[in-house]
Amino acid sequence: DSGVTQTPKHLITATGQRVTLRCSPRSGDLSVYWYQQSLDQGLQFLIQYYNGEERAKGNILERFSAQQFPDLHSELNLSSLELGDSALYFCASSVGDRDEVGEKLFFGSGTQLSVL
Amino acid sequence: AQSVAQPEDQVNVAEGNPLTVKCTYSVSGNPYLFWYVQYPNRGLQFLLKYITGDNLVKGSYGFEAEFNKSQTSFHLKKPSALVSDSALYFCAVRDGGYNKLIFGAGTRLAVHP
Repeated sequence: DSGVTQTPKHLITATGQRVTLRCSPRSGDLSVYWYQQSLDQGLQFLIQYYNGEERAKGNILERFSAQQFPDLHSELNLSSLELGDSALYFCASSVGDRDEVGEKLFFGSGTQLSVL
Repeated sequence: AQSVAQPEDQVNVAEGNPLTVKCTYSVSGNPYLFWYVQYPNRGLQFLLKYITGDNLVKGSYGFEAEFNKSQTSFHLKKPSALVSDSALYFCAVRDGGYNKLIFGAGTRLAVHP
């Protein structure tokens, strides 16, 4: 168990809908990262937050948004869903946002999103 | 931009034989390189990392990786494969000043009894 909790584990919804994925980082971790894993795109970095502030942005669509709350949990909001958004969405956490020792990330088990 | 490439979609090896999963990198500056493993229905788990120092890095579950600067490679190795090593393996590089990682496409390792 990595200590990173993601809910829900599975989510089935229809095109055009909006969903929210939730992530609780490991105790003491201030950074949260969101990744999307799909068969055709592989594991894609979406966005990183540190202590409530956005730190880095990757290939995140404008229909997607995220935030990190004062209690450090994070939510990824996906709107106007399309069939192609079906994927496994991972959250990861780490203590810091940058360092000189290559801090490792701890991953949750993911949320499997199916858009029908 | 930093990137890694995993040239093999799948690697098949017999149990007890040595295994190698290949990774090449393209970075500006000093590379921070990682290997992660993903078991079915699980998140990614850290195996090992290279930051600086010895070119041979030892990690979890008996895995090691060899950093080769001239060949820009960071291959994952294990002297004797186990059936339980069968999983999806990802090479990754730290991108930019923050800790976010950029992952390769992944290599599926299948160890046969």
